[in-house]
Amino acid sequence: ETGVTQSPTHLIKTRGQQVTLRCSSQSGHNTVSWYQQALGQGPQFIFQYYREEENGRGNFPPRFSGLQFPNYSSELNVNALELDDSALYLCASSSKSSTDTQYFGPGTRLTVL
Amino acid sequence: AQSVSQHNHHVILSEAASLELGCNYSYGGTVNLFWYVQYPGQHLQLLLKYFSGDPLVKGIKGFEAEFIKSKFSFNLRKPSVQWSDTAEYFCAVNSPGGSQGNLIFGKGTKLSVKP
Repeated sequence: ETGVTQSPTHLIKTRGQQVTLRCSSQSGHNTVSWYQQALGQGPQFIFQYYREEENGRGNFPPRFSGLQFPNYSSELNVNALELDDSALYLCASSSKSSTDTQYFGPGTRLTVL
Repeated sequence: AQSVSQHNHHVILSEAASLELGCNYSYGGTVNLFWYVQYPGQHLQLLLKYFSGDPLVKGIKGFEAEFIKSKFSFNLRKPSVQWSDTAEYFCAVNSPGGSQGNLIFGKGTKLSVKP
């Protein structure tokens, strides 16, 4: 176990809806990264948060947004859901002093119908 | 842009066989290299990592990987696999201390070990 927790475990939404996924980082970690893992693919970087600000973003549209809170937990919000958004969403935490090693949570499985 | 290629989609081995999973990356600068493992129903776990120094890196559970800079490769090896090594293995790369700090993953290699 890494100490990174995510909620909910599973989620079913319909096209056009909005969703919020949550992540609690490992104790002592102040940086949170979000990844999307489609079926049969490796995780793809969405964005990273450090000190409550976005600190880098992958090739995802603006309808993917996030937040980081003072306790370093984080949310991923997706608006106007599309069928292709169905995937496992992974949160990873790290400490800024060793940003290059990330520890992953169990993920949230999102299904868009 | 950085990319990572894993040559094998699915590898099937018998217990005690030797394992080598290929990983190549495309990036001309200094990189950090990682292997992650995802056991069935479990989260991604760090198997080993290379930042600098000795290019032969030893990880958990008897795994090792060798960084060959001239070949842009970071292949994962294990001399003798066990049934419990059945999992999906992901190679990943990022730039040291980059502002994004994001990991670029390969598509993964599924390993099935027959008892």
